Amino acid sequence: EVKLVESGGGLVQPGRSLKLSCAASGFSFNDYWMGWVRQAPGKGLEWIGEINQDSSTINYTPSLKDKFTISRDNAQNTLYLQMSKLGSEDTAIYYCARAVGVGMDAWGQGASVTVSS
Amino acid sequence: DIQMTQSPASLSASLGETVTIQCQASEDIYSGLAWYQQKPGKSPQLLIYGASSLQDGVPSRFSGSGSGTQYSLKISSMQTEDEGVYFCQQGLKYPLTFGSGTKLEIK
Repeated sequence: EVKLVESGGGLVQPGRSLKLSCAASGFSFNDYWMGWVRQAPGKGLEWIGEINQDSSTINYTPSLKDKFTISRDNAQNTLYLQMSKLGSEDTAIYYCARAVGVGMDAWGQGASVTVSS
Repeated sequence: DIQMTQSPASLSASLGETVTIQCQASEDIYSGLAWYQQKPGKSPQLLIYGASSLQDGVPSRFSGSGSGTQYSLKISSMQTEDEGVYFCQQGLKYPLTFGSGTKLEIK
């Protein structure tokens, strides 16, 4: 069974940093592009970015490129999202997803991030 | 960025009714489109990819069509479990972008 489990979410103060992890199992992790998508409370989906199999190519949505960094550890079957300079606008559920051509065919349950003092 | 405009924003349908949701791209996306269903408190689930290919395990009452800038998702016979929010997403160009969603409810 394909499984993605995010961790590392929580309450963080404005201006601080936070790193999310996504543990993958049930498939050959190093064969797939992986990505992050977020969803602010009561809002739609926003694509953050994605990384290719060997980390040689990483694409971001332009507005988050200077704040967020995506990385992966294929030996640990884990995807990461490093977030810095967090503001209230970054409060959201953060999903990791497996990318397959057009579309994302497996999603984690999401990690909740709340930015507040 | 490619803008994705979904319509309607919400709709209600009776059991057994046919439902159609539209998605318009701001430029030709050459069938690089996916559809997702999201139920309350759950993560999105892929329904359709490549505009018209049904994801494994998705009921055959779901279908996708379209080309160029205009795409649609059809549910041929509305079921209770089809309630949720539906999103389209273009996968042709970075940054990938989603439509704003269509909330579907049972009438």
